[in-house]
Amino acid sequence: DAGITQSPRHKVTETGTPVTLRCHQTENHRYMYWYRQDPGHGLRLIHYSYGVKDTDKGEVSDGYSVSRSKTEDFLLTLESATSSQTSVYFCATGDSGQGVRETQYFGPGTRLLVL
Amino acid sequence: AQKVTQAQTEISVVEKEDVTLDCVYETRDTTYYLFWYKQPPSGELVFLIRRNSFDEQNEISGRYSWNFQKSTSSFNFTITASQVVDSAVYFCALITQGGSEKLVFGKGTKLTVNP
Repeated sequence: DAGITQSPRHKVTETGTPVTLRCHQTENHRYMYWYRQDPGHGLRLIHYSYGVKDTDKGEVSDGYSVSRSKTEDFLLTLESATSSQTSVYFCATGDSGQGVRETQYFGPGTRLLVL
Repeated sequence: AQKVTQAQTEISVVEKEDVTLDCVYETRDTTYYLFWYKQPPSGELVFLIRRNSFDEQNEISGRYSWNFQKSTSSFNFTITASQVVDSAVYFCALITQGGSEKLVFGKGTKLTVNP
């Protein structure tokens, strides 16, 4: 398994407050991803990064922003948290070699509750 | 567009029974990669296997085996002599070589192994 940590692991916050989740990896993987997992929806991609300062939107990016200033860190920010953003957030990393699609390895997840 | 269908929402078996989890995928790309992930009750997502579209050999790893059939667009997962520790949600996923960086997940199959 890739060395992936997420912080915090659990968070309770109030509607309207900004929240930042951190993903840290020790594998020097090029690609990093943020997903959310919700009952009935499975895993959905929020944003991803294909290199330092290179990011792009996934299918559910509204209300979220990301930043990647170092290879090892990928931050997800909820600019103004809403109750609909209550979810479990997973970070994943992967490293494409020779044009082959990478395997994505997942972090332990962050449970976020927005009251 | 890519799609992964796991028609079995929940399966319940008794310990030592064999169980097969079905996965059917859709893609027009000729180069793609299929994955299985396990999500135990503790919540983390654990990578189990990766298969590329040019490798139809079946894979066996201990009590786990995978049957990849391009003719039926299926990538089924069999657990032989199931154990209580196999209780988890299992996800099948697909990513294509030529498409977006998005890993497409099925909705998952919840497997309960009863003692």
